[in-house]
Parts: sequence; structure tokens; C-alpha cells
Amino acid sequence: SVLTQPPSVSGAPGQRVTISCTGSSYIIGPANDVHWYQQLPGAAPKLLIFGNNSRPSGVPDRFSGSKSVASASLAITGLQAEDEADYYCQSYDSTLSGSKVFGGGTKLTVL
Amino acid sequence: EVQLVESGGGVVRPGGSLRLSCTASGFTFDDYVMNWVRQVPGKGLEWVSGISWNGESTAYVDSVKGRFTISRDNARNSLYLQMNSLRAEDTALYHCARDGLGSTSMDVWGKGTTVTVSS
Repeated sequence: SVLTQPPSVSGAPGQRVTISCTGSSYIIGPANDVHWYQQLPGAAPKLLIFGNNSRPSGVPDRFSGSKSVASASLAITGLQAEDEADYYCQSYDSTLSGSKVFGGGTKLTVL
Repeated sequence: EVQLVESGGGVVRPGGSLRLSCTASGFTFDDYVMNWVRQVPGKGLEWVSGISWNGESTAYVDSVKGRFTISRDNARNSLYLQMNSLRAEDTALYHCARDGLGSTSMDVWGKGTTVTVSS
């Protein structure tokens, strides 16, 4: 994948975990937002964070995003069993107009 | 209720064609950029194609360029993906997804339709 994520992360209930997303500066650059999706088993992806650090209505504030040069992170605090899912980052390829790219995905296991 | 429903998936032989459809409801369809995203079972998400609100601008992932064509009919609130010269590696669950207004994120997703390319 053009965006690199760790294949897996884990944490105990109540803990804080972070998922990183790294890529080239023409993808995670100053003008390109990073977005995050949560995919529960057997379900369609759900938008979790958009515009680097904004939450859609209904997403708990336990989820937060950040972005710096060529990298972004998703943080989940107060980990809950229902957070166990796959998480994907997504951005936009400035060199290919209109093209979106995803990270390879990270499996979060709640211990 | 805002909703996207895909249809048209099925089993097709290598080299064959298939046309996917996505019907939108609950929002003003022609206000939005639309996309197709696919997922091989057990694997990650792959953006396939996107189309502007009026259909005048389209984009594709390199692996489908020249084989797939995205289109839309705003009068019918519908998005399409014409897939030709299908390959085994095109086998996946294909989701229709809506861009958020003014954003490159995808805020509404359909459940998907399955395409299987096999001899």
C-alpha cells in the first residue's frame, strides 16, 4: 500500500492505543487531509475521522486523529471491547488527480 | 435515511464483462462526488474509481485503467461501474461510497456487491 500502517495493535480495556499511518509527502502533505475508517467484522467501513482530526456526528470523543509531515495517527482512549475492528487510513494522491489511496489496515485486538 | 445499495455482482469468466449499479436515496445525489471501493475477502480496502458530481471528471486506480468505466445518471440517482476484460484479481466485494461535501473522505457506504472472476 502507498500508505503504511502496522498490521496489528492491541490493548487492554481502558487503555490508550495509537495507530500510525505513514506515506510520501505528496500523499500526506500540507494540502492533503487524512481520514480514518473503522470496519467491524462483516460490515461496511464507517468514517471515523475526517479532515485529519474531525469526528462525524455520533463518533465518541475517545477517537482522535492527528497529522504531521508525511504521517498521521489515530488514537483511541478508554479502549472498549466493541472497538475491536480493522482500521484504515485514507488520503489523496496529489500526483494523480482525483485518486484516493488507503493504508493496508490495522487489526485492533482488545485483550 | 441516507442509503446506497449496490447490485449487479456475480460470477463471470476471465475476460468477461459485468456492470455494477449503485442506487442512492435520502440525499441530493447530484451534489456529491461518488466512488467505487473494493475489498478482497480478508484483505484491505482499495479505491477503484471516482466521478465528479456532473460526470465530467473521472479517475481510476492504475490496475483498472482502460478496462473499467465509471458513470452516473443523476436523474436516476444511480452510479455505475462497467467492468470489461475481467481478471481473477478483480474478484472482490465492491462498495459504492459517497464523498463528504468538500472533503476527500467517504462518509456513506453501501454494503457492497460481490464479483467473482473464475473459470
